[in-house]
Amino acid sequence: GAGVSQSPSNKVTEKGKDVELRCDPISGHTALYWYRQSLGQGLEFLIYFQGNSAPDKSGLPSDRFSAERTGGSVSTLTIQRTQQEDSAVYLCASSLWGGRADEQFFGPGTRLTVL
Amino acid sequence: GDSVTQMEGPVTLSEEAFLTINCTYTATGYPSLFWYVQYPGEGLQLLLKATKADDKGSNKGFEATYRKETTSFHLEKGSVQVSDSAVYFCALSSSSGNTGKLIFGQGTTLQVKP
Repeated sequence: GAGVSQSPSNKVTEKGKDVELRCDPISGHTALYWYRQSLGQGLEFLIYFQGNSAPDKSGLPSDRFSAERTGGSVSTLTIQRTQQEDSAVYLCASSLWGGRADEQFFGPGTRLTVL
Repeated sequence: GDSVTQMEGPVTLSEEAFLTINCTYTATGYPSLFWYVQYPGEGLQLLLKATKADDKGSNKGFEATYRKETTSFHLEKGSVQVSDSAVYFCALSSSSGNTGKLIFGQGTTLQVKP
């Protein structure tokens, strides 16, 4: 079956512009995660959605970052007024239930470059 | 807060050599522990996991045992192949709350030479 898909695969933007990154999780997975992979910080958790529960936003680095998940499926991560330090690979993952023992399935990522 | 520490790479081995990648963690309670692998040009994928103390996770010839007393989850393989060349990430999911969010180590690059 189809895995987690993300779009675009690459995004180059200018400092100060807003960007939207999209994630399509595996059908039937109730939990969705966003992570960021950068050279300096490694892999960092950003935000978690599970069903209709309030999202866990504890990993968002600043209020320029926001995310939503519509209809319990597709998610969009928005970065406003991008900065050069936002350059990274943004990974989306989904899991069946979101429990601490669940396997997370990762998408290929969106490579964001802020000039 | 919770954290994961991995041995720094890169690790370079000859084919059929024994592999150990060290991983230790700091966490309250009993987290779940994972090894994820990122092959060149591919996305992150689960290699193995263990959810309670003394559990052994295994897959594709790789093994790791959840050691509560030493807060460790070292990855081992008896005989590596060129196809094992990849970046390996140790990760934990906290037992407090139930979000499943992963805390990753820095990653260890393994290069296996023929």
